[in-house]
Amino acid sequence: DTAVSQTPKYLVTQMGNDKSIKCEQNLGHDTMYWYKQDSKKFLKIMFSYNNKELIINETVPNRFSPKSPDKAHLNLHINSLELGDSAVYFCASSPQRAYNEQFFGPGTRLTVL
Amino acid sequence: GENVEQHPSTLSVQEGDSAVIKCTYSDSASNYFPWYKQELGKRPQLIIDIRSNVGEKKDQRIAVTLNKTAKHFSLHITETQPEDSAVYFCAASIGNMLTFGGGTRLMVKP
Repeated sequence: DTAVSQTPKYLVTQMGNDKSIKCEQNLGHDTMYWYKQDSKKFLKIMFSYNNKELIINETVPNRFSPKSPDKAHLNLHINSLELGDSAVYFCASSPQRAYNEQFFGPGTRLTVL
Repeated sequence: GENVEQHPSTLSVQEGDSAVIKCTYSDSASNYFPWYKQELGKRPQLIIDIRSNVGEKKDQRIAVTLNKTAKHFSLHITETQPEDSAVYFCAASIGNMLTFGGGTRLMVKP
């Protein structure tokens, strides 16, 4: 099944903890992204990697650290979780071309208590 | 950076009516304008897109128009059905960077 997959689907944790979300795509795409969708449904890009190299790094606290071990994987590690980090996090991927249709993963709902 | 405004934020229509969602963008360098549909609890999925060298594109009941001079683009859904109920996002792209509008919650009443 060709797709963008994320694990876990749900993540409930206490403030101050460190957690990771994993993303994998088997579409052969060169570029991967992390988006945050807040409670008002606003979708905002956080990071983008192209062939394991960081190309977009929006204004995100440095508690968030993406890691791309290879071009099919882009993981997101979050240190010292805060209440405001509660959101749905979407991974996406796209081919490297002028008009880049982005394919989204199923999302990870993070709840910080 | 790019800024995308989307209106209305909510839209309620009767089944069979048409729905129109409008977006404006700020950066004239944007050259790709996708529209995504997000059903409750699901991922955003591309439903139609338009490139900057095209003024209009249609796919069955959905169509998009682009006015580069005015920097606005619109999504038109005809003969709406209850399964069209979802949140719709417009976006504008420069290279790999997609900037999304705030979303429109469309409700189609049977």
